[in-house]
Amino acid sequence: DVKVTQSSRYLVKRTGEKVFLECVQDMDHENMFWYRQDPGLGLRLIYFSYDVKMKEKGDIPEGYSVSREKKERFSLILESASTNQTSMYLCASSPPPGQVMSGANVLTFGAGSRLTVL
Amino acid sequence: AQSVTQLGSHVSVSEGALVLLRCNYSSSVPPYLFWYVQYPNQGLQLLLKYTSAATLVKGINGFEAEFKKSETSFHLTKPSAHMSDAAEYFCAVSSSGGYQKVTFGTGTKLQVIP
Repeated sequence: DVKVTQSSRYLVKRTGEKVFLECVQDMDHENMFWYRQDPGLGLRLIYFSYDVKMKEKGDIPEGYSVSREKKERFSLILESASTNQTSMYLCASSPPPGQVMSGANVLTFGAGSRLTVL
Repeated sequence: AQSVTQLGSHVSVSEGALVLLRCNYSSSVPPYLFWYVQYPNQGLQLLLKYTSAATLVKGINGFEAEFKKSETSFHLTKPSAHMSDAAEYFCAVSSSGGYQKVTFGTGTKLQVIP
């Protein structure tokens, strides 16, 4: 089975700190994603990447950046954490649709990183 | 543009009763549709997906969903709820062409009452 591992399950940071959230997948997937999950808002896409060193903005990229130096690793960076970035962050990966029989972009998720910014 | 609306942020059913979680979608192109489940303190996992092969889709744990184009709906059902079904359920949509960005609904928390 594909495994998506997020390095930190729980983090507590202070306002203004730089925060790194790391995500590693072990199935050689091209596509990787960062979502944030908030009660009542569901999952919202922050950034995604469909290849090494490639990145695309999602729906809520403000205040975030990403890095993908290796195919298996996708990092989410909060340059200067703020309290409104307190949230659950979910990383996901998927193969390109052409590699899936159905053609559908099925996501495999990590367990999540719960970030609290004080 | 694509979007998903899940009706009801919380649904309670008795153990053994029918589970019905509602999802309506909007998409300018033929969609792919998904239901994901999230158990407490875990990430999301795929329950089932619709990719135009069949309108009635069966998934894991006895769940199924029916794609109704005329109603733009993809409701999730299970004939008999188990305690272990208590979780949050997310409906999602992506386009069937191009990059296939996946857009999620706001989620429905299912409570199963013994």
